[in-house]
Amino acid sequence: EVQLVESGGGLVQPGGSLRLSCAASGFTFNSHSMNWVRQAPGKGLEWVSFSDSGSSAKYYADSVQGRFTISRDNAKNSLYLQMNSLRVEDTAVYYCARVRYDGNTKPVVDYWGQGTLVTV
Amino acid sequence: EIVLTQSPDFQSVTPKEKVTITCRASQSIGINLHWYQQKPDQSPKLLIKYASQSFSGVPSRFSGSGSGTDFTLTINSLEAEDAATYYCHQTSSFPHTFGGGTKVEIK
Repeated sequence: EVQLVESGGGLVQPGGSLRLSCAASGFTFNSHSMNWVRQAPGKGLEWVSFSDSGSSAKYYADSVQGRFTISRDNAKNSLYLQMNSLRVEDTAVYYCARVRYDGNTKPVVDYWGQGTLVTV
Repeated sequence: EIVLTQSPDFQSVTPKEKVTITCRASQSIGINLHWYQQKPDQSPKLLIKYASQSFSGVPSRFSGSGSGTDFTLTINSLEAEDAATYYCHQTSSFPHTFGGGTKVEIK
């Protein structure tokens, strides 16, 4: 069973930093690209960042570019999001999500964690 | 950035009724469009991938169609458990983007 468990959320002052973690299990982590997606309270979903399986390709939403950094440790089956210079508008539930390709050139997100709340 | 526009924003439906949700992309995205269901206080769940492929374990009343810029999610014979917000999501190009969501309420 695919399991994604986020941690590291909490209350932080504007301008502060926070590091989110996502522990993955139930699948071969080093074979999958991964995403971070967030959802502000009462709002819709917003894609935040993508990392391929080997950390060679990373992408960010314009809203977090230069402030957030995605990383992963395949030996620990873990995904991370380092968030610096946090703003009030970064307040959201942050989801870790698995990516698959199904033989296609473009990805699809198939499983999501339960999320961790970040309040700025 | 590719903008996804969903309609309607909200729909109130009686059980067994058919529901149709549309998602329009601001430029062609092929079939790289996926649909998710999110119930209150839960994480999203994948329903349909690549416009029309059902994800494992999803009830057959959920179906998707479309390509290019216009896509549709159809729920045949709505059940009470289908009360949720539905999102479309494009992965054709970065930044990946989501539609604004369609909330489906059961009358």
